[in-house]
Amino acid sequence: DAKTTQPNSMESNEEEPVHLPCNHSTISGTDYIHWYRQLPSQGPEYVIHGLTSNVNNRMASLAIAEDRKSSTLILHRATLRDAAVYYCILSNPGNTGKLIFGQGTTLQVKP
Amino acid sequence: DGGITQSPKYLFRKEGQNVTLSCEQNLNHDAMYWYRQDPGQGLRLIYYSQIVNDFQKGDIAEGYSVSREKKESFPLTVTSAQKNPTAFYLCASGKGRRSYNEQFFGPGTRLTVL
Repeated sequence: DAKTTQPNSMESNEEEPVHLPCNHSTISGTDYIHWYRQLPSQGPEYVIHGLTSNVNNRMASLAIAEDRKSSTLILHRATLRDAAVYYCILSNPGNTGKLIFGQGTTLQVKP
Repeated sequence: DGGITQSPKYLFRKEGQNVTLSCEQNLNHDAMYWYRQDPGQGLRLIYYSQIVNDFQKGDIAEGYSVSREKKESFPLTVTSAQKNPTAFYLCASGKGRRSYNEQFFGPGTRLTVL
């Protein structure tokens, strides 16, 4: 399974944009990039996913490097409710939907 | 409302006892998953099931057992063979074979073995 590397923690100010990086230099051509987040004492929540092109949804944007070896999750205006652990995960159709969670990035949002 | 439920939220058991954690979904998903999370760590896959009456071991299946007799239910039994069962257990469901489909997680069960 291809691995991802994320910073352990990041800080942001409320109402400012946040860019959460993820490195995945061993990504294969069929790996999808997923982002989930987990609030304290809750189950993870899907944020966004992509394959090659940048993606936008109501929660966030996903920017994927041209060589696909890195990606960035963008929260356009951080709120206190965005404070969570953010996981960047690669998933391949051959893995039948399995998600391999790393340590993630703990995002702190300051008022 | 569609969703995935786990019960109970908190569970206490004595060492040496088997315990079964419940997971139910009404999302009509084919696939269901069990994960374990230890403090400060990411999730690790215990078992998963792509279809009724079939399941596969994940990365840390030793000391656990599952069944999948109904599409909507995927109970996990933590047996006395699990050496360190105290953890946060999360169940998820998804469409399965197409990896770009999201997984939906339940609220989790926090198991403490005394």
